[in-house]
Amino acid sequence: DGGITQSPKYLFRKEGQNVTLSCEQNLNHDAMYWYRQDPGQGLRLIYYSQIVNDFQKGDIAEGYSVSREKKESFPLTVTSAQKNPTAFYLCASSIFPTAYYGYTFGSGTRLTVV
Amino acid sequence: GENVEQHPSTLSVQEGDSAVIKCTYSDSASNYFPWYKQELGKRPQLIIDIRSNVGEKKDQRIAVTLNKTAKHFSLHITETQPEDSAVYFCAASKGSNYKLTFGKGTLLTVNP
Repeated sequence: DGGITQSPKYLFRKEGQNVTLSCEQNLNHDAMYWYRQDPGQGLRLIYYSQIVNDFQKGDIAEGYSVSREKKESFPLTVTSAQKNPTAFYLCASSIFPTAYYGYTFGSGTRLTVV
Repeated sequence: GENVEQHPSTLSVQEGDSAVIKCTYSDSASNYFPWYKQELGKRPQLIIDIRSNVGEKKDQRIAVTLNKTAKHFSLHITETQPEDSAVYFCAASKGSNYKLTFGKGTLLTVNP
C-alpha cells in the first residue's frame, strides 16, 4: 500500500482510554512523522523521528506519545490526556537528512471518540 | 521557524478553466517546495515539486513557479477536469532539514 501502512483504518475510543495507532514502512526511510488533520486546519505535526530510539515533539504533542524501537515502525498512542482526539491521523516517512524527495504518506486512521 | 501561508482556502472553477493557488513562506533559507493533492478521505500525494535553483517546472497540465525574492510560489493547473477536484497543500523545507512545513490547504472544486 505505497510502502507505508497505517492500521486500523477506523478506530473508536471511549472516554478515558488510551489507543495506539500503527504505522509501518518498508521504504528504508530514516525519518517518520505523525500528523493530525482536522477540517480547515491543514496538517499539524504531532511528533517526528529521525533515527531509531530518538523522536521530537511537533506543534501539538500534548496528549500524545510515540516510540521508535525499529526503523520500520513508529506507533502513536493517543492518551486520555488528549481532550479532543477525534480527527484523521496521517503517518509519513522520508529520506533523511533532506526532504528533497518529499514525504510518502500512509492512508490514514480516522479516530472517533464515542 | 518556517511559516507557510496558502491562498485561497477554497477555489471553484469551471471545467476547462485554469486554477492558480499561491503560497508564501517566511524562511529565506527554504529551498524545496513540494505540492500535494489529497482526494477526499485519501492520503496526500506528491504531484510536483521545485527546488530553489529553478524558477518554473511543468508536468503536463500542472506547473509550479517560484519567486525567491518575494518568497512565494504558485501552483498552476490548466484545462481543469472534474478529477482535479481535491485539497491541495503546499509545503516548504530547508535542504539540510528533514521536516516539511505545510500550508493550510486549498479545496479546489471543478464544476462540469
